[in-house]
Amino acid sequence: GIQVEQSPPDLILQEGANSTLRCNFSDSVNNLQWFHQNPWGQLINLFYIPSGTKQNGRLSATTVATERYSLLYISSSQTTDSGVYFCAVSNAGNNRKLIWGLGTSLAVNP
Amino acid sequence: EPEVTQTPSHQVTQMGQEVILRCVPISNHLYFYWYRQILGQKVEFLVSFYNNEISEKSEIFDDQFSVERPDGSNFTLKIRSTKLEDSAMYFCASNLDSWSGQYFGPGTRLTVT
Repeated sequence: GIQVEQSPPDLILQEGANSTLRCNFSDSVNNLQWFHQNPWGQLINLFYIPSGTKQNGRLSATTVATERYSLLYISSSQTTDSGVYFCAVSNAGNNRKLIWGLGTSLAVNP
Repeated sequence: EPEVTQTPSHQVTQMGQEVILRCVPISNHLYFYWYRQILGQKVEFLVSFYNNEISEKSEIFDDQFSVERPDGSNFTLKIRSTKLEDSAMYFCASNLDSWSGQYFGPGTRLTVT
């Protein structure tokens, strides 16, 4: 089945810094989503981005489907950005189920 | 904005007891899912449901698990005889069609003692 790898596994930033999180996947996808898991365990939808680029405030994401990767950019990080960021994908062979990466654990220090 | 809701937010149960986790998907969505996340691990797919039947289930989803859409709004996950290793966060999700983004509920934290 499709494999999803996220890097880096851990990231520590000072407030105000920028960062880039990466998601590599091993097969073509027709769904790719980025999530933020907050300290209470809730999964917050960030982007549905099987291809192209999207922006939402300080966050943006780019998926290059032909090269099988996606990037999540966080600019001017804030302490509330702390948590785990997950990439999840699905393709025709998965019958719509999302396959998840291990996540990037981000800590933003004041 | 419409959202997926789940109840309860936290459930504590004794080993061997039955639990039912409840979800209300977004009202016009047609596809429904359960995922689980053991503490500190990645999210894992359990089951997908469409047109009143299971469309796919994972190896985790054994005979102890069942899902049901008892009416037009609720979607439930039942664990018949809970085990310690069932302790996890359980997430419900839904989407409108098979290729659109999935919307997740806030999760139910199940603790089996």
